[in-house]
Amino acid sequence: DQQVKQNSPSLSVQEGRISILNCDYTNSMFDYFLWYKKYPAEGPTFLISISSIKDKNEDGRFTVFLNKSAKHLSLHIVPSQPGDSAVYFCAASAGPGDYKLSFGAGTTVTVRA
Amino acid sequence: EAGVAQSPRYKIIEKRQSVAFWCNPISGHATLYWYQQILGQGPKLLIQFQNNGVVDDSQLPKDRFSAERLKGVDSTLKIQPAKLEDSAVYLCASSLGLAGGYSYNEQFFGPGTRLTVL
Repeated sequence: DQQVKQNSPSLSVQEGRISILNCDYTNSMFDYFLWYKKYPAEGPTFLISISSIKDKNEDGRFTVFLNKSAKHLSLHIVPSQPGDSAVYFCAASAGPGDYKLSFGAGTTVTVRA
Repeated sequence: EAGVAQSPRYKIIEKRQSVAFWCNPISGHATLYWYQQILGQGPKLLIQFQNNGVVDDSQLPKDRFSAERLKGVDSTLKIQPAKLEDSAVYLCASSLGLAGGYSYNEQFFGPGTRLTVL
């Protein structure tokens, strides 16, 4: 039962432009959301997170937007850089107290020079 | 700060053989997780430890998979006997744990062990 879905397996974007990654979830108990970035042969690394009490969180070039009514979140990367080429996973948990993460299948981002 | 260490990085075995993976979490992290990531999918939690106790093993195929975390630090995950469908990357992660607060959701991942079952 896939509770977190990333429907776009890949995204190609030109350097300097905006990358927008989307994520949908079905479990209404989720109230904390994270994005992880993964390079080949490495483990995922934490990128940015947002709790359900917010609708936006920004960290440098990365911004995550949460629409609870639509059970949808998105990650914006502006501007996109070649080093951003990686697989991005959306994850969610029903914390506090429950720290199990449910992951989406990932979106592979390729930034073209 | 040293990250999460895992070994081996790669393992190839025949079906029905046994295999074990080792994980050393970040010092001071009370919670340890083992994930299975099949090609094209996101990581799926197999088992979660809080110190040396099991918090969640609902997704662990207990007829062939076992895990332990002796002394609340290092952990091993074993598969016996392996099946073809066990081919995946096995990721270990750790976090500060159930100390309350949203910041403690952040999990730090090791590089993973890529298992191929022939």
